[in-house]
Amino acid sequence: DAMVIQNPRYQVTQFGKPVTLSCSQTLNHNVMYWYQQKSSQAPKLLFHYYDKDFNNEADTPDNFQSRRPNTSFCFLDIRSPGLGDAAMYLCATSGGQGKDEQFFGPGTRLTVL
Amino acid sequence: RKEVEQDPGPFNVPEGATVAFNCTYSNSASQSFFWYRQDCRKEPKLLMSVYSSGNEDGRFTAQLNRASQYISLLIRDSKLSDSATYLCVVNIGYGNKLVFGAGTILRVKS
Repeated sequence: DAMVIQNPRYQVTQFGKPVTLSCSQTLNHNVMYWYQQKSSQAPKLLFHYYDKDFNNEADTPDNFQSRRPNTSFCFLDIRSPGLGDAAMYLCATSGGQGKDEQFFGPGTRLTVL
Repeated sequence: RKEVEQDPGPFNVPEGATVAFNCTYSNSASQSFFWYRQDCRKEPKLLMSVYSSGNEDGRFTAQLNRASQYISLLIRDSKLSDSATYLCVVNIGYGNKLVFGAGTILRVKS
């Protein structure tokens, strides 16, 4: 089945220790998104790629970076995680070109000690 | 004003009840509207897209009122398994970005 896969599902890191979260998709979608979701809050868009074009949200901290080496994969790098970065990180994809529906991976739950 | 606003609930209803959620959006240029369902500690899943003419999928009916800029979701014959958070989602009128409401919590009880 076509899907969005995220690894790892759970990540524990220490304060200030860099961490990388990965996302892959078999949907062949043009657009990939990274969201941060904290308890009882809406998913918050961090950035997205339309093909290779990177689009950062104005309020996304510099601590968060992303890479998309090819259509299938996208990575979220948190350079120096703080306690406030503990959250669920969701990857999503959409077809672009007017196809707005987004399909989410299962998420990575990040704990910062 | 928030771009997408929802009543957070919770809505506590008995099995078999009919329940309706409303959502308002601020950007009159928005063209795409969705309802997503999110279970506790899981990812959002697309429940249904919302079309101008309204659309129905089994027990679920979605309506769009562009003039008043609101969207509704009606659930008939509620099941225990309908318990979840329902997210109203709207595109921002350009680009490929969606804006999520904070969600409405539904609890269906036996």
